[in-house]
Amino acid sequence: EVQLVQSGAEVKKPGESLKISCKGSGYSFTTYWIGWVRQMPGKGLEWMGIIYPGDSDTRYSPSFQGQVTISADKSISTAYLQWSSLKASDTAIYYCARGVYCSGGTCYLDYWGQGTLVTVSS
Amino acid sequence: DIQMTQSPSSLSASVGDRVTITCRASQGIRNDLGWYQQKPGKAPKRLIFAASSLQSGVPSRFSGSGSGTEFTLTISSLQPEDFATYYCLQHYSYPQTFGQGTKLEIK
Repeated sequence: EVQLVQSGAEVKKPGESLKISCKGSGYSFTTYWIGWVRQMPGKGLEWMGIIYPGDSDTRYSPSFQGQVTISADKSISTAYLQWSSLKASDTAIYYCARGVYCSGGTCYLDYWGQGTLVTVSS
Repeated sequence: DIQMTQSPSSLSASVGDRVTITCRASQGIRNDLGWYQQKPGKAPKRLIFAASSLQSGVPSRFSGSGSGTEFTLTISSLQPEDFATYYCLQHYSYPQTFGQGTKLEIK
């Protein structure tokens, strides 16, 4: 069974750093892209970026380029989303999802993680 | 960026109704479009891929159609569990973009 299990909720202060995780199981982690999606409180879904764990090829939405870093450790089948300096506006739920039917790294997202709530507040 | 304009933004309907949600792309995206259902407090759930292919396990009352710039998601006979928010996602080009969502509410 394909599963993406994300790390737990985080409460941080502005300016702090954070790295959240997404562990894949039940499939070959290195041969599927993993995307990240943001959902701010009461808002819609926003595509942030995507990584191919096999070679760490990474693409970002211009809206998120420079604001976050996407990475992966294929040895433990885990993808990451990290911030070096959080802002209150980073408060949101972050989802990872597996990419399939891809073309050059743009993918339909089939299996989704359960989401990680990140709260940034002083 | 390709803009995905989803309509309506909200919809009130009754159990048994047929409803249609539309996504329009600002440029042609072939059939590189998926539809998702999201219930409060839950992750999005996949429904349709390649614009019209039903994901395994999804009830056949859901269907998708379209190609190029105009796409529709149709629910043929609404069930109580279908009241949720629906999103489209294009995966034709970077950055991938979602529609703004359609909230389907009980009348």
